[in-house]
Amino acid sequence: IAGITQAPTSQILAAGRRMTLRCTQDMRHNAMYWYRQDLGLGLRLIHYSNTAGTTGKGEVPDGYSVSRANTDDFPLTLASAVPSQTSVYFCASSERDSSYEQYFGPGTRLTVT
Amino acid sequence: KQEVTQIPAALSVPEGENLVLNCSFTDSAIYNLQWFRQDPGKGLTSLLLIQSSQREQTSGRLNASLDKSSGRSTLYIAASQPGDSATYLCAVSPSTSGSRLTFGEGTQLTVNP
Repeated sequence: IAGITQAPTSQILAAGRRMTLRCTQDMRHNAMYWYRQDLGLGLRLIHYSNTAGTTGKGEVPDGYSVSRANTDDFPLTLASAVPSQTSVYFCASSERDSSYEQYFGPGTRLTVT
Repeated sequence: KQEVTQIPAALSVPEGENLVLNCSFTDSAIYNLQWFRQDPGKGLTSLLLIQSSQREQTSGRLNASLDKSSGRSTLYIAASQPGDSATYLCAVSPSTSGSRLTFGEGTQLTVNP
C-alpha cells in the first residue's frame, strides 16, 4: 500500500507559468487536504475536500485551485505562479473530516523564479 | 482565531533522557489534538491523536496528555534515542465540523548519542 503519493518531487517554475501538483491516495479516504509549509509560518491549509465532488477554501487559498473528480485524486493548480508561492506543498488525507487522523504525502518542493 | 504555540523551538538532549515537549492553544473549544513527527525533507507522520474527551494517549515510549481547559498538551518521550531526532508538531481540530487543522511551528529535537 503506497498511502499518498505526490508528483513531482520538486520543480523549478518560471513566474507566470501554470503548474499542477498531483496527489493520489489509495486508502479510500473521503477527505483530502493541501498544505504549504514555510519557515517561520508553519503548515497552512490551502484547500480541502471532505468528499469527492466538493471542495473548500482553507487559510491561504488565493492563487490556487483544486478539483476532486474522484475519491483518489486531488490536484492543486497554480494558474499563474508567483515567487511567493515558493514553498513545500503537502497533500494529506483522512478517513472523514479533520477530526480524524491525517496521513501526509512526502511533499513537493516548488521554487518559482 | 486559534493559535498554537510550541515551546521550546529546539531541544538537544543526551540519549536515554526522558523529555517533555509542550503545546499550547488559545481556543479550548477543540475536537481533538494530534501530534506529528517530521523528519528532514519528509512529510508528517501521525504519532498520537487525543480526543477532547480524553486525558492521554500512549504509544510505546510516547505519551501525550491533554488539558483542554487550560489549553495545553504535552508529549512525553521516555528513554530517548538518536532515532527520535526529528521535528515534532502538534495540531488542533476545531469543535465545529470542518477541515481546518491548526498547526504549531514545531519543536526540533536532537538526541545525541
